Amino acid sequence: DAGVIQSPRHEVTEMGQEVTLRCKPISGHNSLFWYRQTMMRGLELLIYFNNNVPIDDSGMPEDRFSAKMPNASFSTLKIQPSEPRDSAVYFCASSHGTGVGYTFGSGTRLTVV
Amino acid sequence: KQEVTQIPAALSVPEGENLVLNCSFTDSAIYNLQWFRQDPGKGLTSLLLIQSSQREQTSGRLNASLDKSSGRSTLYIAASQPGDSATYLCAVKGDVSNFGNEKLTFGTGTRLTIIP
Repeated sequence: DAGVIQSPRHEVTEMGQEVTLRCKPISGHNSLFWYRQTMMRGLELLIYFNNNVPIDDSGMPEDRFSAKMPNASFSTLKIQPSEPRDSAVYFCASSHGTGVGYTFGSGTRLTVV
Repeated sequence: KQEVTQIPAALSVPEGENLVLNCSFTDSAIYNLQWFRQDPGKGLTSLLLIQSSQREQTSGRLNASLDKSSGRSTLYIAASQPGDSATYLCAVKGDVSNFGNEKLTFGTGTRLTIIP
């Protein structure tokens, strides 16, 4: 098992550009989570899906952020337009049941200049 | 709203010592608690998971305890080594009787440095 796979590992983009982050959860996991980590705020949940359906998106900061999960093996987090304050590490995680823990991906370090 | 606190924010100890990291949470209606390790510039690695019905879990030199009623968990590291240097985060999952409570609430972490 390759674990949770995120791409790209690093992204540097100019303010105003669209950014798309990608995640492939562990096969068989039915919950997928997007987190953002910054020095100031620590780890914040942005959104999570259960069986490909968004369950809680209350952590999505504003309309510039959107997330999709078209199938059980793929999810995207899009920021359009990006701003310098979006610079952070974005983590994807998955789990396969309420009684088990999470597995995190290696993260995407986003820098918006 | 669940809040998770980890004290201290940073800790330095000489190699070989035993140490305890603390985690407290405000809402005792949790489903489980998980301890993670994060190395600089890396993702999170799960260390131990304690279900709400359990009191402790052990893995090698690590032992995690849970006192749900008082809202506390500790991570005990025995015979510390320089390779244990990392940030340690605890996270709680809400009671799943509340639909939609799959998410984890994280503490801010304790940055541990083991001095050779």
